[in-house]
Amino acid sequence: DGGITQSPKYLFRKEGQNVTLSCEQNLNHDAMYWYRQDPGQGLRLIYYSQIVNDFQKGDIAEGYSVSREKKESFPLTVTSAQKNPTAFYLCASSIFGRGLMNTEAFFGQGTRLTVV
Amino acid sequence: RKEVEQDPGPFNVPEGATVAFNCTYSNSASQSFFWYRQDCRKEPKLLMSVYSSGNEDGRFTAQLNRASQYISLLIRDSKLSDSATYLCAVNLVGNTGKLIFGQGTTLQVKP
Repeated sequence: DGGITQSPKYLFRKEGQNVTLSCEQNLNHDAMYWYRQDPGQGLRLIYYSQIVNDFQKGDIAEGYSVSREKKESFPLTVTSAQKNPTAFYLCASSIFGRGLMNTEAFFGQGTRLTVV
Repeated sequence: RKEVEQDPGPFNVPEGATVAFNCTYSNSASQSFFWYRQDCRKEPKLLMSVYSSGNEDGRFTAQLNRASQYISLLIRDSKLSDSATYLCAVNLVGNTGKLIFGQGTTLQVKP
């Protein structure tokens, strides 16, 4: 079955530690995204990538880093510089080609990160 | 001004009611528009794409008003199972690939 997989579902980390969230898709989608959601809030864009080896900052990129070495994978690292990292992190992907409009994005099940 | 804005609600309606949500966007060059549904503590799932001519899927109707820069979602004959948060999403400035979500509108359908 094609889909987008995030792991782990729940993650606990101590303050000051870096942590990497995994996102893998087998949909052959070009574009991938990372969003953060806080309780009662909408989705805020952290980073996005339209193509392998290229990515752009979203609205709240500070304290986060990403890589896009493979089309299927877009891991997110939450660094110790992120002041308030506890949140629900969602990864998404969509078909995208330069010069074409985006199609709808499909989401993974999310990772709940708690920093203690 | 936020790039994409929604009234957070909550909208409390009785079963069978018709309810409408709006979502405004700031960039007139935006090209793609979507409505998503999100249940509590779950990931968002696509409800409908929004086309220029408007589109309907059963009890749900989505419309785009480019002149006033908003999209709308109409739900007819509300069911208890429609209770959820509805998020709009906008692809900003054509081909950049940046997909922005509104903060969501909460709908609670009461018996």
